[in-house]
Amino acid sequence: QLQLQESGPGLVKSSETLSLTCTVSSGSISSSNYYWGWVRQPPGKGLEWIGSVYYSGNTDYADYNPSLKSRVTVSVDTSKNQFSLRLTSVTAADTAVYYCARHGGEYLQQLTHWGQGTLVTVSS
Amino acid sequence: DIQMTQSPSSLSASVGDRVTITCRASQGISDSLAWYQQKPGKAPKLLLYAASRLESGVPSRFSGSGSGTDYTLSISSLQPEDFAVYYCQQYYNNPLTFGGGTKVEI
Repeated sequence: QLQLQESGPGLVKSSETLSLTCTVSSGSISSSNYYWGWVRQPPGKGLEWIGSVYYSGNTDYADYNPSLKSRVTVSVDTSKNQFSLRLTSVTAADTAVYYCARHGGEYLQQLTHWGQGTLVTVSS
Repeated sequence: DIQMTQSPSSLSASVGDRVTITCRASQGISDSLAWYQQKPGKAPKLLLYAASRLESGVPSRFSGSGSGTDYTLSISSLQPEDFAVYYCQQYYNNPLTFGGGTKVEI
C-alpha cells in the first residue's frame, strides 16, 4: 500500500524559505509513471494546488500554480525516493497544512494518495 | 483559472437521507472532475474521478454525474461516517482548482 509522509519545520519566519520533503513508501518515484504533487489548506479554509512533478528519463518535469510559480520549486530525489517543496519569501498567508500527494497517472489529474499533512506556521 | 463553485456550502441531513451536492465550473471541463471527502484533521480522500468513476474501495452509495460545466455528487443513503466536508476538483486545466467545499452535518 503506497504511503506518503511529509516532513519539515513546523515554524518558518516571515520572508524566509519553507522547505518540506515527502517520503514515498511501497512505491518508486523513478520507476512509476505518475505525477507527484503538493496541496495546501489554510486553517479552516479550502484546498489549493501548489505544484507537481513528473520524473522520467533522469529528468523531472514540474508544473506550478501560476499564482505561486515565482516562489515555488518542486523537485525529486530518486536516491531517497522523495520529492520536495520549496516556497520562498513566505508570509503569514502561507500558513497552512501542507499535503503531499500522488496523481492518478502521468498527467495532472485526480489525487489518489495523500500524506497525512503537516502544519507550517509562518511567524513574524 | 477555472473557478469551481459548490452548492450548498453546508447542509443538514439525517442518516438514511439522499444527499446531492452540486459543482459548477466557470467553463467546460469535459468530465475532468474529481470528488473528495475530508474529515476533521485528516487528508482528503478521493471518492470519484472522471466525474462518475468510483475510486476503488469507495462504497457504491456514492455516485457522480454531470457534463460540461455542471456536476453532482450524490450519496444515496447517508451513513454516520459520511458526515464530512466534500470538495470537487477540476483537472482540465492548469492550475488545478478546487471548489470551496460542502459541509454535511447531522
